[in-house]
Amino acid sequence: GIQVEQSPPDLILQEGANSTLRCNFSDSVNNLQWFHQNPWGQLINLFYIPSGTKQNGRLSATTVATERYSLLYISSSQTTDSGVYFCAANPGTALIFGKGTTLSVSS
Amino acid sequence: DAGVIQSPRHEVTEMGQEVTLRCKLISGHNSLFWYRQTMMRGLELLIYFNNNVPIDDSGMPEDRFSAKMPNASFSTLKIQPSEPRDSAVYFCASSLTGSYGYTFGSGTRLTVV
Repeated sequence: GIQVEQSPPDLILQEGANSTLRCNFSDSVNNLQWFHQNPWGQLINLFYIPSGTKQNGRLSATTVATERYSLLYISSSQTTDSGVYFCAANPGTALIFGKGTTLSVSS
Repeated sequence: DAGVIQSPRHEVTEMGQEVTLRCKLISGHNSLFWYRQTMMRGLELLIYFNNNVPIDDSGMPEDRFSAKMPNASFSTLKIQPSEPRDSAVYFCASSLTGSYGYTFGSGTRLTVV
């Protein structure tokens, strides 16, 4: 089945810093989503982005489907950005999740 | 819309007992997914339904687990008998086929002692 790999596994930032999270997937997909799991465990949908670029405030995402990767950019990070960021790819069946990137933003 | 609604939020049960987790889909969605999250294995797909029909249950760990969709808006995941290794957070998600991604419920944290 499809493999979804995220890097880095852990990231520590000072408030105000920028960061890039990467997601590689091993097969073509018809759906790719980025989620943020907050400290209360809730999975929040950030982007539905099977290809192209989208922006939402300080967050943006780019998926290059032909090269099988996606990037999540966080600019001017805030402490509330802390949590786990998951990439999930759907090869035609259901979303398969990566292991996540754990982000800690300190003030 | 109230989103995907799961109940209960927390469940503590003794080994050997039956556990039933519940999920209400977003109105109009026709696909339903059950996931399990543990530290060791991350987020795993257990089963998914499309138009009330189970499409892929290959992720269901063993026969102790069963899932149903008695109607288009509601699903249950049952574990009988429960074991301590079933302790995890169970999420359900719904989507509209061919549409814009999944919406997850808040999860049920299950502890089997």
